[in-house]
Amino acid sequence: AAGVIQSPRHLIKEKRETATLKCYPIPRHDTVYWYQQGPGQDPQFLISFYEKMQSDKGSIPDRFSAQQFSDYHSELNMSSLELGDSALYFCASTRRDTQYFGPGTRLTVL
Amino acid sequence: QKEVEQNSGPLSVPEGAIASLNCTYSDRGSQSFFWYRQYSGKSPELIMFIYSNGDKEDGRFTAQLNKASQYVSLLIRDSQPSDSATYLCAVNPAGGTSYGKLTFGQGTILTVHP
Repeated sequence: AAGVIQSPRHLIKEKRETATLKCYPIPRHDTVYWYQQGPGQDPQFLISFYEKMQSDKGSIPDRFSAQQFSDYHSELNMSSLELGDSALYFCASTRRDTQYFGPGTRLTVL
Repeated sequence: QKEVEQNSGPLSVPEGAIASLNCTYSDRGSQSFFWYRQYSGKSPELIMFIYSNGDKEDGRFTAQLNKASQYVSLLIRDSQPSDSATYLCAVNPAGGTSYGKLTFGQGTILTVHP
C-alpha cells in the first residue's frame, strides 16, 4: 500500500540558511498536517491544508511558510534557520477516519 | 498546564503483564482521542482512536474514555518486548469525530522486559 513520502529524510543546514521540506500524501487523501517534534518533545502542530487551501495554523514561526500544490503534495519552506529549528518534521496525510504519518525529515541546523 | 498530560514514566513492566497508560485533557469540548506508538527516531503510528465513553478493544489493546473525568487510558495486555516504545496520547480539541489538528501529550516511555 502507498504510504506518505517525505523528502529529504535528512537535511543539514547552517544558521540563517533556508530549507524546503516536501510531503507527498497518500493518493486520494485530502488533508495534510505538518508537525514539528524537537528532541524529547511531543509533536507540535504547525499548519494544515485541506484541498489545497490552508485550513488551520498552529505554532508556526513567521519565518516558515507552506503550501499545497495541485497534485496535493505540500512543501514547508523555512528561512533564516535557527539552531532551535533542529527537529523532526512530520507530515500526516488524512482522509476521513484514516490518518498516516510520514517517516519524517530530520533537520539539523549547525 | 499542558492541554494533554500523560502519566510520568518511564513505565517498566514484565513480559506478559498488563501495561496501563493514562492521559488527561483540559478541553471539555474535545471529542476524538488517539493513542500513537512511536519508536525512537520514527514517526508516530496510530494504535487506536476512541470517540465514545467506555471501552474500545482491538486485539491486545483497550482504550478507555471517560469524558466526565476528562480521562483516556490505554491498556496493553500480554505485553511484549516489541511493545517497548513511547506512547503518545493525542486529542483533537476542535471537536467533531475527525482527526483534525492534534494536540499531543508529552508521551510515556514503556519498557517491557523479558
